[in-house]
Amino acid sequence: AQSVAQPEDQVNVAEGNPLTVKCTYSVSGNPYLFWYVQYPNRGLQFLLKYITGDNLVKGSYGFEAEFNKSQTSFHLKKPSALVSDSALYFCAVSADREPRTALIFGKGTTLSVSS
Amino acid sequence: GAVVSQHPSWVICKSGTSVKIECRSLDFQATTMFWYRQFPKQSLMLMATSNEGSKATYEQGVEKDKFLINHASLTLSTLTVTSAHPEDSSFYICSARAVAGTGELFFGEGSRLTVL
Repeated sequence: AQSVAQPEDQVNVAEGNPLTVKCTYSVSGNPYLFWYVQYPNRGLQFLLKYITGDNLVKGSYGFEAEFNKSQTSFHLKKPSALVSDSALYFCAVSADREPRTALIFGKGTTLSVSS
Repeated sequence: GAVVSQHPSWVICKSGTSVKIECRSLDFQATTMFWYRQFPKQSLMLMATSNEGSKATYEQGVEKDKFLINHASLTLSTLTVTSAHPEDSSFYICSARAVAGTGELFFGEGSRLTVL
């Protein structure tokens, strides 16, 4: 069965500093990995995805993530954090890209960026 | 990008009543939609997979008779919470993966259900 682990409940960084939100996954076969962000009482907004190709994926709002197959990780990063980046971040995995396959989500990591 | 519309966004009901939540894909067809439930400050838990024209597939532990799912067309799935109780209060989110493309999942804005 596929699963996702986000080991940190909360990440605190100062504005302007780099940020990393960690994610590791477990899936049989090739993983399809996603990052989503959620603001209070809102749905999920797509940030980026890894399907195949370059291990470094660039996404929305300056975020990027690096796929590391040997470490089964897909950490989310941003070189310079903004206060407006404060939100709940979810990593998700799918065992395939078939439309009938749901994404399985990690528990989420709250990012808090202080000014 | 593709849009998934969810309605209502917020609903309050009395215990014992039934509530229907709609999920529509506005600019693409979705043979499959997914219903998630999210408790405060927690992750999204997959409840069921809604298949157009056939019965939904429920995850283990989800009551089929409590959470009725209907996928009447390629753009509409509904979740009906029957005989709602306070413990059913939650944030319900639907999603759909486009048939074509890279398999990105599009989410509705969520529906917050409060059962009094």
